[in-house]
Amino acid sequence: TQLLEQSPQFLSIQEGENLTVYCNSSSVFSSLQWYRQEPGEGPVLLVTVVTGGEVKKLKRLTFQFGDARKDSSLHITAAQTGDTGLYLCAGAGGGSNYKLTFGKGTLLTVNP
Amino acid sequence: EPEVTQTPSHQVTQMGQEVILRCVPISNHLYFYWYRQILGQKVEFLVSFYNNEISEKSEIFDDQFSVERPDGSNFTLKIRSTKLEDSAMYFCASSALGQGDGELFFGEGSRLTVL
Repeated sequence: TQLLEQSPQFLSIQEGENLTVYCNSSSVFSSLQWYRQEPGEGPVLLVTVVTGGEVKKLKRLTFQFGDARKDSSLHITAAQTGDTGLYLCAGAGGGSNYKLTFGKGTLLTVNP
Repeated sequence: EPEVTQTPSHQVTQMGQEVILRCVPISNHLYFYWYRQILGQKVEFLVSFYNNEISEKSEIFDDQFSVERPDGSNFTLKIRSTKLEDSAMYFCASSALGQGDGELFFGEGSRLTVL
């Protein structure tokens, strides 16, 4: 059974601070996705990383896939109140389907 | 922007009743999925569907569950005889291509409450 552990589970910071959240597993994934989920809504894809060591940037968000494709991190620079939300990582095994294993998420609160 | 739509947004049912949750995937997508999220827990994979058949399913997806694509646009999840533990948010998702190549788009979910 593949498991993804996310840390921290909760994070409360002030606007303007930087933060990093982590997604770790003992399993290798062929790709890893980061999602953001608002209460009562479905996950919204932020990024997909596929190659070990890959780094992707989306404005103030930087995503990294570990060299061994077992872990990933999300770094947010100069957090804004609009970044508040639940950040989920999800790993895909081999095969053509998006059979994703999700982590429990990091609930980020950015205070003004 | 195209989106995955789900109905109903919330359904309350009695234990033992049949429930059908409906989804309209994005129109040119080929892969369809159901996931569920029990309150306070992780999002869990239920089933994937491609080329008019189930391509993969999880242990959760037992004989009480079935999926169907009855026409060119709808994708349904049927729970034959609901149990209390089926109470969850059910998310439909679709992608144009397989994993690694295509993006996965989730609907807003259908909340099922079994009493």
